[in-house]
Amino acid sequence: DAGVTQSPTHLIKTRGQQVTLRCSPKSGHDTVSWYQQALGQGPQFIFQYYEEEERQRGNFPDRFSGHQFPNYSSELNVNALLLGDSALYLCASSDGTGYRYGYTFGSGTRLTVV
Amino acid sequence: EDQVTQSPEALRLQEGESSSLNCSYTVSGLRGLFWYRQDPGKGPEFLFTLYSAGEEKEKERLKATLTKKESFLHITAPKPEDSATYLCAANYGGSQGNLIFGKGTKLSVKP
Repeated sequence: DAGVTQSPTHLIKTRGQQVTLRCSPKSGHDTVSWYQQALGQGPQFIFQYYEEEERQRGNFPDRFSGHQFPNYSSELNVNALLLGDSALYLCASSDGTGYRYGYTFGSGTRLTVV
Repeated sequence: EDQVTQSPEALRLQEGESSSLNCSYTVSGLRGLFWYRQDPGKGPEFLFTLYSAGEEKEKERLKATLTKKESFLHITAPKPEDSATYLCAANYGGSQGNLIFGKGTKLSVKP
């Protein structure tokens, strides 16, 4: 059983550009959350999607947006990239019991902004 | 302010040398305290969830405990393959199901 799949694994973008990251949740999971992990830091919550709607949002600017598709897969979009957006972007999925039994994380997308 | 703090930032052990990692939390209405393991360039791997003070959980050489203010991850007779960053995270009333993470403890076990 494939776990959480993220693509691409690595990405290099220039300041001001836009980027789209993709996530396929673990089979049976319907909730997808996105986290940003800067080097040497713990992951920070960006937002969560459930039933194709943004359910919760962390302290991130509107440049960060997302989408969830009917098959539960999700995209994270970041506009007007800044050097500070360089980080590992993690997708986590759950079946609604994640708050008790843990969320399943993907291996992440390493974004470098130059 | 709701936060999770881990210590030490880094820990170097010899193989077989037992030790503990600390996670202190100041959140309102803790619903669950999570421990994850993260290898370089990988996503966090779920280890344990603890729900109430006094609870303990074990997995191989790892044992997690929870009090009203902190959690400990005890590592007994560690092996080099236990080297990783260990992350602590809290799910609490204000987070509405999402996790607030600490910065992690980077554990290195030398043979």
